[in-house]
Amino acid sequence: DAGVIQSPRHEVTEMGQEVTLRCKPISGHDYLFWYRQTMMRGLELLIYFNNNVPIDDSGMPEDRFSAKMPNASFSTLKIQPSEPRDSAVYFCASSLIGQPYEQYFGPGTRLTVT
Amino acid sequence: RKEVEQDPGPFNVPEGATVAFNCTYSNSASQSFFWYRQDCRKEPKLLMSVYSSGNEDGRFTAQLNRASQYISLLIRDSKLSDSATYLCVVNRDDKIIFGKGTRLHILP
Repeated sequence: DAGVIQSPRHEVTEMGQEVTLRCKPISGHDYLFWYRQTMMRGLELLIYFNNNVPIDDSGMPEDRFSAKMPNASFSTLKIQPSEPRDSAVYFCASSLIGQPYEQYFGPGTRLTVT
Repeated sequence: RKEVEQDPGPFNVPEGATVAFNCTYSNSASQSFFWYRQDCRKEPKLLMSVYSSGNEDGRFTAQLNRASQYISLLIRDSKLSDSATYLCVVNRDDKIIFGKGTRLHILP
């Protein structure tokens, strides 16, 4: 079975550019989570969806970040404009209803903003 | 004080030894607890949930101490493949908080 799929795996961009990260959750999973991981701050939850509806976006750092889930099989995380401090690994994870905290993570997107 | 705290390590342990590490949480309203494992430059993977009565999965034992507000992970007969970062995860009021992890190195 395919796990959580993320693209691109690596992204290098210049400050000020728009960045779009993509995620395909495991089929049948009801929850989708976006995380950011840095050495300094560890793994931080940015936002999560339940049945395509955003439930908690309190972790989204600022208005430059936005996330959408137009259907059950696709989500995007957009950063516009990007800044060097956004450099991190961004993970998407999904889980089943009734087991929201038993999450399956994608391989991550390593973002570098120069 | 951070809501979830872990000793960052690294713990350097000879192969075959037993190792244990703890994770403390500050909010007594925390409801559920998990250990995840993360290999270098890889994604986190669920290792085990932590139940109130404690639970065991092969060489791994997880315990919860609500009175002192910590969870623990014990690894027996450690293998080289156990080398990883172990992340403590706490759930409270639909919030999920990850600790920064404890690095474990198993030495041959």
